[in-house]
Amino acid sequence: AQTVTQSQPEMSVQEAETVTLSCTYDTSESDYYLFWYKQPPSRQMILVIRQEAYKQQNATENRFSVNFQKAAKSFSLKISDSQLGDAAMYFCAYRSGWNQFYFGTGTSLTVIP
Amino acid sequence: EAGVTQSPTHLIKTRGQQATLRCSPISGHTSVYWYQQALGLGLQFLLWYDEGEERNRGNFPPRFSGRQFPNYSSELNVNALELEDSALYLCAPSSRGPGELFFGEGSRLTVL
Repeated sequence: AQTVTQSQPEMSVQEAETVTLSCTYDTSESDYYLFWYKQPPSRQMILVIRQEAYKQQNATENRFSVNFQKAAKSFSLKISDSQLGDAAMYFCAYRSGWNQFYFGTGTSLTVIP
Repeated sequence: EAGVTQSPTHLIKTRGQQATLRCSPISGHTSVYWYQQALGLGLQFLLWYDEGEERNRGNFPPRFSGRQFPNYSSELNVNALELEDSALYLCAPSSRGPGELFFGEGSRLTVL
């Protein structure tokens, strides 16, 4: 089975600075999808960004971008110009070709004013 | 477009009772995934329904069950509740194809 590993249980960043959250995954598939989700405290989980494995270009959504290294099976999330509202739990997720989702254990991000 | 709706938002039960949680998806989303999130922990996969059929289930005992209705809404049933079933239960519909999951706000189940 596929596994998703987030090796940083907690991270902190100064407001306006940049932070990178790590995610690695294990798979034998060539076609899959990767996601980063954000779960603010006591609030709904929302999609931050997605990446199709067949695309070489890294996805970008405003201040959020990914560094997708397919050969290394790495999918890190970079948050630029961090804001207080970015404080949340971030989950990395993998969608297999069989439509099964696998989630990492999450990284709790604290933004320091 | 209406979002994913889960009900009830909070539910308090006693050990041994049964709980039913409901999920109304976004229009056109034919698959639904259920996850358990214990306090401060990650997501544990429970069940996956697609077109009314159970496609896969996670490593949970049979007292966790569910179904998906013809209108693609879904419910999760937990029988013989145990204290460790206390958690946030998340419903996450998805459209056919390689789409993402859309999460509801969850149902907080407390077992006393």
